[in-house]
Amino acid sequence: QKEVEQNSGPLSVPEGAIASLNCTYSDRGSQSFFWYRQYSGKSPELIMSIYSNGDKEDGRFTAQLNKASQYVSLLIRDSQPSDSATYLCAVKGGGADGLTFGKGTHLIIQP
Amino acid sequence: GAVVSQHPSRVICKSGTSVKIECRSLDFQATTMFWYRQFPKQSLMLMATSNEGSKATYEQGVEKDKFLINHASLTLSTLTVTSAHPEDSSFYICSASDRGHGNTIYFGEGSWLTVV
Repeated sequence: QKEVEQNSGPLSVPEGAIASLNCTYSDRGSQSFFWYRQYSGKSPELIMSIYSNGDKEDGRFTAQLNKASQYVSLLIRDSQPSDSATYLCAVKGGGADGLTFGKGTHLIIQP
Repeated sequence: GAVVSQHPSRVICKSGTSVKIECRSLDFQATTMFWYRQFPKQSLMLMATSNEGSKATYEQGVEKDKFLINHASLTLSTLTVTSAHPEDSSFYICSASDRGHGNTIYFGEGSWLTVV
C-alpha cells in the first residue's frame, strides 16, 4: 500500500516569510513527485514537479527531493495571501501509474 | 499547456437515478485517464484507472457496477454513477496522462455531484 504523509496543519505563516511544506512517502520505487495547490472547491493545479534528488526552483517555489530519506518538500518564498490554499503532495510510480496523494497541508498566509 | 475538460461542473440528481460525467483531453491523446473522488476537507482518493479500449481498473472498495467507466476514444472517458444515493454526493475529478510529455498528469476542473 503506497502512502504519502503530510501534516494537515493549518500552517500559519506571516506575509513575506518563507512557507515550508513537508511530505514523506512509503514506496521506494516512486519516481516522480509533485506539488499541487488546491483552492477550496476547485481542482488541484500543478505547482512543481521533481524527479531527481536535490533542489528545483521555479520563481518563488523550490521543491526539494531526498530519495534516500523518502522526503519531499516545498518552499514558498515571499509568501502572499493568495498562496493560502491546501497543498497536496503527490507521488507516482513508473509508466502510466496514477498519483497517490497525501491528505494535504492547509497553508494560511497572514497579511 | 495541456488541457483536460470535465463536464458538467455541477449536477444535481435525484436519488436512484444515474448521472454521467465526461472527461476530455483537448490537445493530447490520453491512453490513460484517472477518476478521483474528494469529500469535503479530505484528500483526493483514486477510484479507478481508465484505459482506452479496455476495462477500467478499480481501486479496492470501489464498486465497478455502481461507477461505470467507459474510455471509448483516446480523448474521452466517462464516469456514470448509477443508482445514485446521497452518500455519493462528492467532488469528482478526472485526470489524464500525457504520454507525449513524460506521462505528466493534468486535471480536469472537477464535477460537483449532489444527490437529493
